[in-house]
Amino acid sequence: AQSVTQLDSHVSVSEGTPVLLRCNYSSSYSPSLFWYVQHPNKGLQLLLKYTSAATLVKGINGFEAEFKKSETSFHLTKPSAHMSDAAEYFCVVGNTASKLTFGTGTRLQVTL
Amino acid sequence: DAGVIQSPRHEVTEMGQEVTLRCKPISGHNSLFWYRQTMMRGLELLIYFNNNVPIDDSGMPEDRFSAKMPNASFSTLKIQPSEPRDSAVYFCASSLGGAADTQYFGPGTRLTVL
Repeated sequence: AQSVTQLDSHVSVSEGTPVLLRCNYSSSYSPSLFWYVQHPNKGLQLLLKYTSAATLVKGINGFEAEFKKSETSFHLTKPSAHMSDAAEYFCVVGNTASKLTFGTGTRLQVTL
Repeated sequence: DAGVIQSPRHEVTEMGQEVTLRCKPISGHNSLFWYRQTMMRGLELLIYFNNNVPIDDSGMPEDRFSAKMPNASFSTLKIQPSEPRDSAVYFCASSLGGAADTQYFGPGTRLTVL
């Protein structure tokens, strides 16, 4: 069995400040973990993917995520938010025995 | 690569009508997925195919929904008859490997049933 919990449904930050979107997961197997981003009226776009090669994963647009097995977390961060980062972000868990499980999403708002 | 292609991008229809959504996956990808997204229920997996064979259709809401994949480059999702509660954005995604591999999403079809 697997599940994913996004701890915040909404996050608001000022432009230029750090972004932290939190995600906890559970999986009976060694998991693959993803972050996807969805801009308004668009499809989901892959930001980054963890598959056990390295615990710190760098993605597109300056985002990165750190896999912490002891905390079963895979939080998404960015040092400095940009207005164009405003979107919905989905944390996703998968493993070889199961299909992907999507979180409920975190809406990121970026203010001036 | 053109990415996953979906058509139409928008569909408005009346209750009781048949609706057909279309998807062309990324060339070479072996798995194809149909999702539905609504405000109330979020993103739901409806069905997925591997090598053109339906593997898991447990998410298909009811008999009014059907999906086919006649070949590796084309899939359809059909709703007959459509109901207002079917209004949603329907996404198609494809992956190179199986269900747990990276999925690449199309732009979606926004369906409105009046």
